[in-house]
Amino acid sequence: EIVLTQSPGTLSLSPGERATLSCRASQSVGRNFLGWYQQKPGQAPRLLIFHASSRATGIPDRFSGGGSGTDFTLTISRLEPEDFAVYYCQQYASSPLTFGGGTKVEIK
Amino acid sequence: DVQLVESGGGLVQPGGSLRLSCAASGFTFSSHWMNWVRQAPGKGLEWVAIIKQDGSEKYYVDSVKGRFTISRDNAKNSLYLQMNSLRAEDTAVYYCAGGEGWLTILWGQGTLVTVSS
Repeated sequence: EIVLTQSPGTLSLSPGERATLSCRASQSVGRNFLGWYQQKPGQAPRLLIFHASSRATGIPDRFSGGGSGTDFTLTISRLEPEDFAVYYCQQYASSPLTFGGGTKVEIK
Repeated sequence: DVQLVESGGGLVQPGGSLRLSCAASGFTFSSHWMNWVRQAPGKGLEWVAIIKQDGSEKYYVDSVKGRFTISRDNAKNSLYLQMNSLRAEDTAVYYCAGGEGWLTILWGQGTLVTVSS
C-alpha cells in the first residue's frame, strides 16, 4: 500500500500570498498518477490536478502541480478568498487507492 | 447535466446491513470505472472500492473486504454498495465517484451512513 503524507497539516496565509503544499509517498507512484483535490465544508471534493501536473478542466492557472516519484507539490501562486479550503492528494496508480491526510489552508 | 446522485444512507445498528445506490446521468456510465469513497465526520477521505466498466474487476480497501460488495447495472446507469456487518467506524458520508481510468473526476454529493445503537 502506498502511504501518502501531506504537510503541513495547516497552512495559515493571507489572501494574495503563495501556498506550497507537500505530498510525500512511501514508494514511487507509478506513471506519476497523483491527483490533488480541493474540498470545502459540506461539499464534495473537486479535482484540481491530475497526473501530478495537469490542470483539470476549468481550474484557474494559479493552481499548479509538480514533482515525480515520491515527492509532489501543489502550489497556489496567489491565494484568492475562495481558495481557503482543505486539499488532499491521492494516488490512483495501484490498489488500494490512497489519499493523504489533507492540508487545511486557512486565513491568517 | 453530468451528475451522480447517491441514495440509501441512514441510521443502522451495529451488525446491520445497508445498500447504497448511485444514479448516473449525462455521460456514458458503462465506459467508466466507478468508485466509492467515504469520509468520517471531521476526518479525511478514504477510498473504499472500485469496479471496472463491465464489473469483471473489483478492488477494496482492506477494512471492508468480506463485508462490502461493489456492483453496477449498466442498463440502469447505477452503481451500488452492499454493506454488511456494519461497524461504528463505518459511519461516514459515502461518495460515488468516477472518471478516466482510476482517476476520479466526477463526484456525487454523498449520502450519510450512521452506524449506532
